[in-house]
Amino acid sequence: DTAVSQTPKYLVTQMGNDKSIKCEQNLGHDTMYWYKQDSKKFLKIMFSYNNKELIINETVPNRFSPKSPDKAHLNLHINSLELGDSAVYFCASSPSDWGPQETQYFGPGTRLLVL
Amino acid sequence: AQSVTQLDSQVPVFEEAPVELRCNYSSSVSVYLFWYVQYPNQGLQLLLKYLSGSTLVKGINGFEAEFNKSQTSFHLRKPSVHISDTAEYFCAVSEVVDSSYKLIFGSGTRLLVRP
Repeated sequence: DTAVSQTPKYLVTQMGNDKSIKCEQNLGHDTMYWYKQDSKKFLKIMFSYNNKELIINETVPNRFSPKSPDKAHLNLHINSLELGDSAVYFCASSPSDWGPQETQYFGPGTRLLVL
Repeated sequence: AQSVTQLDSQVPVFEEAPVELRCNYSSSVSVYLFWYVQYPNQGLQLLLKYLSGSTLVKGINGFEAEFNKSQTSFHLRKPSVHISDTAEYFCAVSEVVDSSYKLIFGSGTRLLVRP
């Protein structure tokens, strides 16, 4: 059973296009996250949602819009893609948002390449 | 704001040799520390974490880490590595953000185990 799944696994697209990445977790967790990992492997949080409510919104361009239809899903929509958006995007989940000691469970990642 | 420093971007080591991956964090009143591992083309998974209590923390796959408050370090060790330990290792610290928290990751250390 896949705990945190993401689709698609790979995404190759042209500059200026709009694309979405989907994430689902079957762990019953309340909190979900989006991370961006750049070409140097540096990993940074973008957003977090707790029970469909936005909790953390880092300094991310407005072109990135997360959406959580229910607490098991957190999708990421990106408008007007730019070359610099090329990265690996990871979804993660944790039991709640107030547990600094909690483990986060990561999906396999979506490798986005903008041409 | 918290920060995490992983001084070694890559650590090559021969199979069955011991290894230490270094991690230093910025000081704080209370701190929760994590080591995550990322195998090639996969998401991150938790190796171990320090919450409180014993400064020596044991994790999966024979890894352990020692919390040293005076040196603000949380180095990861394994007495004898295997080829399968080849991966990217990330040290992380929890940071409180308003009523929530987020993980701050180091830049990662690539462990390369050679036969």
